[in-house]
Amino acid sequence: NAGVMQNPRHLVRRRGQEARLRCSPMKGHSHVYWYRQLPEEGLKFMVYLQKENIIDESGMPKERFSAEFPKEGPSILRIQQVVRGDSAAYFCASSPPSSYHNEQFFGPGTRLTVL
Amino acid sequence: AQKITQTQPGMFVQEKEAVTLDCTYDTSDPSYGLFWYKQPSSGEMIFLIYQGSYDQQNATEGRYSLNFQKARKSANLVISASQLGDSAMYFCAMRDFATGANSKLTFGKGITLSVRP
Repeated sequence: NAGVMQNPRHLVRRRGQEARLRCSPMKGHSHVYWYRQLPEEGLKFMVYLQKENIIDESGMPKERFSAEFPKEGPSILRIQQVVRGDSAAYFCASSPPSSYHNEQFFGPGTRLTVL
Repeated sequence: AQKITQTQPGMFVQEKEAVTLDCTYDTSDPSYGLFWYKQPSSGEMIFLIYQGSYDQQNATEGRYSLNFQKARKSANLVISASQLGDSAMYFCAMRDFATGANSKLTFGKGITLSVRP
């Protein structure tokens, strides 16, 4: 059973370009979460999605950031017109519809560098 | 609002000894869960242990145990018989269930643990 997959693992963009980060949850998992980790910091929640629905986007910046989890295919975190402050590690996690403590399984992360 | 506090500076422990990593939390919800994750230098997040707020006993998973003191709002991680491979960043996290069983995790800033041979 493959774990949570994220790609690319490393992404370099110049200021003003777009970044697309992809996340494939574990098989059978219908909940996806995106977190951002700045250097020397803990993970900060960004958005929680189920198939075709955004459940909680309270951690998403109001501009330039968007996320989707379509019926088919991976979840996508999209950052438009990237700035240097967007440089961070972006982690995706997934969880099954229900479990004892609803553990979130994390992917390996995408390290975004904005030049 | 939930808050996780991890204030220890970098921790050092001798191989084969035990070490305690501190975590305090704050929430107004009586139903919540506490998690510890390990992040080695390779960067992935590895789940270690979980404690529910209504669990009667402290959680244990192999060499990991959680010293849960509800009245003090603390959930310290104890690693017994430290190994060199335990050197990593350790994050305490919390989920409250007020907003649903699949709500977000709130993380602390983490503690760096270095195991000396």
